[in-house]
Amino acid sequence: QKEVEQNSGPLSVPEGAIASLNCTYSDRGSQSFFWYRQYSGKSPELIMSIYSNGDKEDGRFTAQLNKASQYVSLLIRDSQPSDSATYLCAVPQGGKLIFGQGTELSVKP
Amino acid sequence: EAQVTQNPRYLITVTGKKLTVTCSQNMNHEYMSWYRQDPGLGLRQIYYSMNVEVTDKGDVPEGYKVSRKEKRNFPLILESPSPNQTSLYFCASSLAGGASVYEQYFGPGTRLTVT
Repeated sequence: QKEVEQNSGPLSVPEGAIASLNCTYSDRGSQSFFWYRQYSGKSPELIMSIYSNGDKEDGRFTAQLNKASQYVSLLIRDSQPSDSATYLCAVPQGGKLIFGQGTELSVKP
Repeated sequence: EAQVTQNPRYLITVTGKKLTVTCSQNMNHEYMSWYRQDPGLGLRQIYYSMNVEVTDKGDVPEGYKVSRKEKRNFPLILESPSPNQTSLYFCASSLAGGASVYEQYFGPGTRLTVT
């Protein structure tokens, strides 16, 4: 089992819809979780971090964490074509940061 | 402007010819790291450094060297590059202290081709 798993997609949603991106992790001891966004040809940028069970909202983005089930998700409300990118889930392991392979999101106008 | 810079941005080289990719940050960050990104394999950590003179292996350190003599710089050295090191390389930095270490700022990337 990979340490951090994501569906590679592509996930296609219409403009204005809710995009739901999921990530599962194997280390039950993980305490913090991160979502990075990577536009095609660009470098990753941090968009959300979450440390405790439940929801964390930041504008149109909501991160959800369920430690018992070992999954973390990212919801994007009112999706825009500018949200089209690859979303990377990342989980720390010691001093290292382990990334999932990323989910490609395409928002169609 | 707060940033992480990498040089060169693009490099084509031949097998066995030593090369260095430089990374510099102007945010006074303690933590710096190198990643490589390959299709189907995602983003994988090569080496990281918690502070000056402190470096540790990531998941794929074979064939690479790093040094951290100054806080702002973290060069990646390929002593004898091979074609399987053809990849897109990213440098990243962050503040030390708890989970802040993982809130990383990435450089623009270096695309390396080894023939």
